[in-house]
Amino acid sequence: DPKIIQKPKYLVAVTGSEKILICEQYLGHNAMYWYRQSAKKPLEFMFSYSYQKLMDNQTASSRFQPQSSKKNHLDLQITALKPDDSATYFCASSQNRAETLYFGSGTRLTVL
Amino acid sequence: AQKVTQTQTSISVMEKTTVTMDCVYETRDSSYFLFWYKQTASGEIVFLIRQDSYKKENATEGHYSLNFQKPKSSIGLIITATQIEDSAVYFCAMREGRNNNNAPRFGAGTKLSVKP
Repeated sequence: DPKIIQKPKYLVAVTGSEKILICEQYLGHNAMYWYRQSAKKPLEFMFSYSYQKLMDNQTASSRFQPQSSKKNHLDLQITALKPDDSATYFCASSQNRAETLYFGSGTRLTVL
Repeated sequence: AQKVTQTQTSISVMEKTTVTMDCVYETRDSSYFLFWYKQTASGEIVFLIRQDSYKKENATEGHYSLNFQKPKSSIGLIITATQIEDSAVYFCAMREGRNNNNAPRFGAGTKLSVKP
């Protein structure tokens, strides 16, 4: 059974719309992360949260907003979608901020 | 700022041989953590092995081992007795230790093809 669940697996959106990518982890970890992977920039770090607080942020655009309603949830809201946002978005978690990351299977987003 | 560089875009080897993948990193921290991950054809990203900077012994895990050369800021991944199923993209990553808020940053990856 997957321990980090990302939903949906595939997502198609139109330019200008808004989407939410879901991530839940059942590893008992207290730190969660979002990474983006595209042909242009492989595995690019976006955000990290620990105990539901933002720890590190490498995303310049405010169109990307992480949302943590529970310790084991870290969703990613993307507004005003652009074709350049097309990528696979990976959620990850770790036991604490210094430990090894474990990844979900990703959400492949295509913006038309 | 931390930076991870993998200069080998792709490598092709014959099955049952040994392969080394290179990775160099930049950091101002004296304490840091180094990781190698594998991304399979299905897209799954799997943790393989890690090296903590304060440890002098090279880490080993199954048929994976590391060549940690601290003075050269280098952490090579060695795979012995390669198998077809080792074909994947391999990523090196580093997390700086002084600031626990830092998340790991990844290199661009090296695509390994193992041929029969």
